[in-house]
Amino acid sequence: EIQLQESGPGLVKPSQSLSLTCSVTGYTITSGYDWSWIRKFPGNKMEWMGYISYSGSTNYNPSLKSRISITRDTSKNQFFLQLNSVTTEDTATYYCARWDTIAALDYWGQGVMVTVSS
Amino acid sequence: DIQMTQSPASLSASLEEIVTITCKASQGIDDYLSWYQQKPGKSPQLLIYDATSLADGVPSRFSGSRSGTQYSLKISRPQVDDSGIYYCLQSYSTPNTFGAGTKLELK
Repeated sequence: EIQLQESGPGLVKPSQSLSLTCSVTGYTITSGYDWSWIRKFPGNKMEWMGYISYSGSTNYNPSLKSRISITRDTSKNQFFLQLNSVTTEDTATYYCARWDTIAALDYWGQGVMVTVSS
Repeated sequence: DIQMTQSPASLSASLEEIVTITCKASQGIDDYLSWYQQKPGKSPQLLIYDATSLADGVPSRFSGSRSGTQYSLKISRPQVDDSGIYYCLQSYSTPNTFGAGTKLELK
């Protein structure tokens, strides 16, 4: 069974960087598909942040401009989110998910709530 | 960016009703549209992909359709367990964009 699990700090100070890890079991991330980050803001708005493909290419939401980076560690079957220069508007629940060939997100992690506050 | 206008924002329905949630795309998206259900404290679950295809394990009371650039999710004879927030997502072009969500309460 494919499982994804996010981990990382729940509290980040403004202007610092947010770093999260998504650990994948049951499937090797270099075998196929795109591996995504999505966030849900207070008030329920959802935002697609970007993905890293099985080949290592990336695609980011332009709204995040140069603040976002998605990388991976293939030896650990993990991929990562780094969001720089965070503000309180980055407070959200962050999810990692698999982007299937059917152009849908078919497996999701349980989510991690991140609060940006001093 | 493609805008997905989802309605209604909230909905209270009885178990005998047919529930319909719609998402209108700001341009054609060639049926690259999926629907998700999210229950409190849980991650979203895929219900429908390619606008009309039922995801594995999803009950047949859920269905998807399209009319022009408006996409609909229908729940026939909903159950109490179907309460939650429903989202549409377009994957025709990046940035992929979600609808604003519909909070469904079953009474």
